[in-house]
Parts: sequence; C-alpha cells; structure tokens
Amino acid sequence: AQSVTQLDSQVPVFEEAPVELRCNYSSSVSVYLFWYVQYPNQGLQLLLKYLSGSTLVKGINGFEAEFNKSQTSFHLRKPSVHISDTAEYFCAAANFGNEKLTFGTGTRLTIIP
Amino acid sequence: GAGVSQTPSNKVTEKGKYVELRCDPISGHTALYWYRQSLGQGPEFLIYFQGTGAADDSGLPNDRFFAVRPEGSVSTLKIQRTERGDSAVYLCASSPGGPLEETQYFGPGTRLLVL
Repeated sequence: AQSVTQLDSQVPVFEEAPVELRCNYSSSVSVYLFWYVQYPNQGLQLLLKYLSGSTLVKGINGFEAEFNKSQTSFHLRKPSVHISDTAEYFCAAANFGNEKLTFGTGTRLTIIP
Repeated sequence: GAGVSQTPSNKVTEKGKYVELRCDPISGHTALYWYRQSLGQGPEFLIYFQGTGAADDSGLPNDRFFAVRPEGSVSTLKIQRTERGDSAVYLCASSPGGPLEETQYFGPGTRLLVL
C-alpha cells in the first residue's frame, strides 16, 4: 500500500524568501504524484502533478516540484513566496493503475510579512 | 462554469442517527470520488465511481457507510447509526474520467459533527 509522509506540519517563511515543502512516498512501483493546496475556507486545488517524463514539474502560482525516484521524494519549491501563499499544502500519491489517491497529513505554510 | 458543490456545508447530528451527504459533480464528469478528512489529517479515500457504478469502495470504513450514484451524476454518501468518530469533513471530487491522469476537482466539503 502507498503511504505519503510530509515531515513538516508547519513551515513559517518570511515574505519573498524561498520555501521547500518536503514529501516522501513509499511505493517502489510506478507512481503518480500530486501537490494540492487548500486556502482558508476553500476546497482543495491542484498545484501540479507528475505522471511521467521530465522530473521537474512546474505548476500554478510559481510552484515547482522535482520527482526523485532514488530518494522517493517529491518536494515542492517556490523561489519567492507571497502573503497569498498562506495555505495548507498536501502531497498525494497513487500507484499506476489504481484510482486511489493517498494523501500526506499536510504542511501549513505561514508567510511572515 | 460551476464547480463541484456539496450540501449541506455543515451537518450536526446525534449519535445513532442517519445522515445523507450530497455531491453535485461538474457537469459531464464521469468519475466521482469521496474522501474523509479528519482534524489534522489529509483526505482519506473512501470510494470511487465511474459512471453509475462503484469501481472501488475499498476505503469505506465499515458497512454503516454506503454511497450511490444512480444516474451517473449526483452522488449521495449515506451513514447509518452515526458515531462520534464519524465527525470529519467529507470531501467530494470529480474528474472528466479515469484514470488518474485526469485532474480531480474538489468541492468545499461537508463538515459533519456527531454529538
């Protein structure tokens, strides 16, 4: 079974500083990887996804993530954060051919003005 | 266009009661998913529909939980004999079709509180 680990439950970052949110997954089989964002009082929204091909994936709002098979990681990065990036970020994974998304416990990103 | 909608937005019930939670997916989306999100946790898969049929219901925690999608659009999640541990936010998502290459679009959720 797939499992997803987000080691950091909360990450405070100064505005305009870079940020990395960490995600590790467990399965060694072919895997799809996702990052979702949940803004306050809103539904989950897809930031980006990795299905195959280039290991560097670019998403919305200036975010990107890199798939590292040897490290079983899919860390999310942004070079310069804004106040509007304050939200909860969820990493998710699914094994190829299986429709079930497995989510991590989330990382709350707080931007300090 | 309209996104995924869920009703009610909040539901308070007493232990032992029956509840129904409704999901209206994006028009034309054939795949529909239910998740449960407990406090401090990520969403947990419950069930996946492709059209009218449940393609995977392995995430339903026990036989008190049941979901239907009779006409391939609106879905209802039904919980019998509710327990305090059922308190959570229930999320619905839809996508144009499986497999997972298609983006899932999430609704705002129904917050269920069992007293």
